[in-house]
Amino acid sequence: EVQLVESGGGLVQPGRSLKLSCLASGFTFSNYGMNWIRQAPGKGLEWVASISSSSSYIYYADTVKGRFTISRDNAKNTLYLQMTSLRSEDTALYYCARHRGWFAYWGQGTLVTVSS
Amino acid sequence: EIVLTQSPTTMAASPGEKVTLTCRASSSVSYMHWYQQRSGTSPKLWIYETSKLASGVPNRFSGSGSGTSYSLTINSMETEDAATYYCQQGSSYPLTFGSGTKLEIK
Repeated sequence: EVQLVESGGGLVQPGRSLKLSCLASGFTFSNYGMNWIRQAPGKGLEWVASISSSSSYIYYADTVKGRFTISRDNAKNTLYLQMTSLRSEDTALYYCARHRGWFAYWGQGTLVTVSS
Repeated sequence: EIVLTQSPTTMAASPGEKVTLTCRASSSVSYMHWYQQRSGTSPKLWIYETSKLASGVPNRFSGSGSGTSYSLTINSMETEDAATYYCQQGSSYPLTFGSGTKLEIK
């Protein structure tokens, strides 16, 4: 059974940093591209970042480019999102999702709240 | 960036009613994918590559379209279909979602 479990969310002050993790199981992690997608409270889905299976290709939404860094450790079956210079508009539930053109599997999400 | 416009934003349907949700892309895309999200839960893949039903999706659902115009149809609305449905394009980066259609039961 495919499982994606996010962690690392919490309350953080504006301008500070936070690192999210997503532990994958139930499939060969190194064979799949992975993504972060977020959902602000009461709002729709927003794609944040993608990373290919071997980390060769990385893409970001303009809203996070230069502030967020996506990475992965295939030996640990783990996806990461390093978030810096956080803003109030980054407040959201952050999902990791397995990618093959579409997002077949999603985690339960980890909540990031940016507030002073 | 390819902008996806979903309509309607909200709608209510009676049990047994036929429902059609639409998603229009600002530029042509190869496929459209759809997700269902019930309140308080993670989105679930519902339809991929325009017309293929994800595992476990009832066959009263169907998807169609091409180019810039796509749709999700429910042949006969059931109570459990009440949810928000999002379309998504994977043809080019940035990947984008529509703003969603909230479907309620009447």
